[in-house]
Amino acid sequence: NAGVMQNPRHLVRRRGQEARLRCSPMKGHSHVYWYRQLPEEGLKFMVYLQKENIIDESGMPKERFSAEFPKEGPSILRIQQVVRGDSAAYFCASSPRTVFNEKLFFGSGTQLSVL
Amino acid sequence: ILNVEQSPQSLHVQEGDSTNFTCSFPSSNFYALHWYRWETAKSPEALFVMTLNGDEKKKGRISATLNTKEGYSYLYIKGSQPEDSATYLCASPSNDYKLSFGAGTTVTVRA
Repeated sequence: NAGVMQNPRHLVRRRGQEARLRCSPMKGHSHVYWYRQLPEEGLKFMVYLQKENIIDESGMPKERFSAEFPKEGPSILRIQQVVRGDSAAYFCASSPRTVFNEKLFFGSGTQLSVL
Repeated sequence: ILNVEQSPQSLHVQEGDSTNFTCSFPSSNFYALHWYRWETAKSPEALFVMTLNGDEKKKGRISATLNTKEGYSYLYIKGSQPEDSATYLCASPSNDYKLSFGAGTTVTVRA
């Protein structure tokens, strides 16, 4: 059973370009979470999705950021018109049920660098 | 988002010694407490999910206790080994999906 797969591992973009980060959850997991780690900071919640639904995107900037988890295919975190402040490590996690009783399984993360 | 705090921020321990560190969280509306281990260049890996006051969990030489009434959890490492070097994160949910993470305690075990 493959773990949570994220790609790419490293992504370099110039200011103004778009960044697309992909996450395939573990098989059988319908809950997907995106977290961001800024330099010298901890993991910050961005968005929580279930298949075809965004449940909570309160941790995501309202402009330029969007996320989806389509019926088929991976979850995508999309950042339009990137700025240097978007440089961070972005982690995806999945779980089979809620975090009241279930641990999160994390991917290896995508390190986004904005030049 | 909950205010989850960890202390100390970092610690160094000699191989073979035991150590422990703290996670503090709001005691009201408590649902669960998670511990994760995060090695450099890897992804966070869950150690424990604890829900009951007084609960104790153990995995090898690592164990954790939980006090939900006063809002703290301790993580213990017995007989530290170099492979225990990592950042240990705790997290608590404010609802059934939103985990708030502490900043972590980075443990360095010196051989």
